[in-house]
Amino acid sequence: QLQLQESGPGLVKPSETLSLTCTVSGGSISSSSYYWGWIRQPPGKGLEWIGSIYYSGSTYYNPSLKSRVTISVDTSKNQFSLKLSSVTAADTAVYYCARRAVASDYWGQGTLVTVSS
Amino acid sequence: DIQMTQSPSSLSASVGDRVTITCRASQSISSYLNWYQQKPGKAPKLLIYAASSLQSGVPSRFSGSGSGTDFTLTISSLQPEDFATYYCQQSYSTPRSITFGQGTRLEIK
Repeated sequence: QLQLQESGPGLVKPSETLSLTCTVSGGSISSSSYYWGWIRQPPGKGLEWIGSIYYSGSTYYNPSLKSRVTISVDTSKNQFSLKLSSVTAADTAVYYCARRAVASDYWGQGTLVTVSS
Repeated sequence: DIQMTQSPSSLSASVGDRVTITCRASQSISSYLNWYQQKPGKAPKLLIYAASSLQSGVPSRFSGSGSGTDFTLTISSLQPEDFATYYCQQSYSTPRSITFGQGTRLEIK
């Protein structure tokens, strides 16, 4: 059974860089059939796609976040990562990683990241 | 960018009711429409993909329809575990862009 698990600091200071890693188990991140992505959800609000990556390293970002986002993949560790720079309180959210083909069928449990000094 | 608009934003219904949630795209997305269910504190769960295909393990009381710009999610007979928030998502422009609707909160009447 495929599992995804987010990890990283739960508290980030304003203007710093948020860094999260998603570890995939029970399957290979190098499958040609899937993209791997990050989605976030501010408290009490809806879902926002941040970006996606293919195992080859091709990346796709939400235009509204593109200038601050970097997603990378480490196939040797079966992981992919998110970096979001210059964070503000508006970036406080639950961050999910997910696998997608036609749709996102496997999700991590999510991790709350709070931006505060 | 393709915008997705759900209606209603919230809905009250009773166990056993038939419920329909709609999702409209700002341009034609063919059948590239997915539906998710989210319960408090949990990750979204895929219910329907490609507008009308039921994800494995999802009860058959859930169904989806539509193409082009207008789509619906129908729950034929509400069960207690169905009270949740539902999101539509377009994947027409995937992987370059993915957008969600704003969500529909389904509450117990």
